[in-house]
Amino acid sequence: AQSVAQPEDQVNVAEGNPLTVKCTYSVSGNPYLFWYVQYPNRGLQFLLKYITGDNLVKGSYGFEAEFNKSQTSFHLKKPSALVSDSALYFCAVRDQGNTPLVFGKGTRLSVIA
Amino acid sequence: GAVVSQHPSWVICKSGTSVKIECRSLDFQATTMFWYRQFPKQSLMLMATSNEGSKATYEQGVEKDKFLINHASLTLSTLTVTSAHPEDSSFYICSASRYNEQFFGPGTRLTVL
Repeated sequence: AQSVAQPEDQVNVAEGNPLTVKCTYSVSGNPYLFWYVQYPNRGLQFLLKYITGDNLVKGSYGFEAEFNKSQTSFHLKKPSALVSDSALYFCAVRDQGNTPLVFGKGTRLSVIA
Repeated sequence: GAVVSQHPSWVICKSGTSVKIECRSLDFQATTMFWYRQFPKQSLMLMATSNEGSKATYEQGVEKDKFLINHASLTLSTLTVTSAHPEDSSFYICSASRYNEQFFGPGTRLTVL
């Protein structure tokens, strides 16, 4: 069975500084990895995904993530944080095929001006 | 493209009543839709997988007689919470699958008094 771990409940970063939100995963086969962002009382917004190819994936709003197979990690990064990036971030994984996503517990990012 | 809507966006009902939530894929056909539930400050938990023209597949611990799912067409799935109780109050999010990717609706906040 697939699983996702987001070890940090909360990440605080100063505006303009780089940010990292951690995610590790466990799947039986090749992973399909995703990052979503959720603002209060809103649905999920897709940020980026890794299916295959380059380990560094670039997504929306300047975010990127690096797939590391040996460490089974897919950390979300951004070179320069904005106050508007403050939100709840979810890492998710699924197996191949039309299978549902399994979500991590979420990490709340707070960017301080 | 790949827009998913939910209706209503929020609903307040009395204990014992039933509430229907609609999930529509607006610009694509979705043979599979997923229903998730999110408690405050928690992650999304898969409730069921809805396949057009067949019975939904429920996750362990989800009462199928309480959470009725109907996927009558390729663009519409409905979730009916029957005899709702305060503990059913939650944020319900659907997603529709296209080409093995999931696109999420904006969510429905249900409050049962």
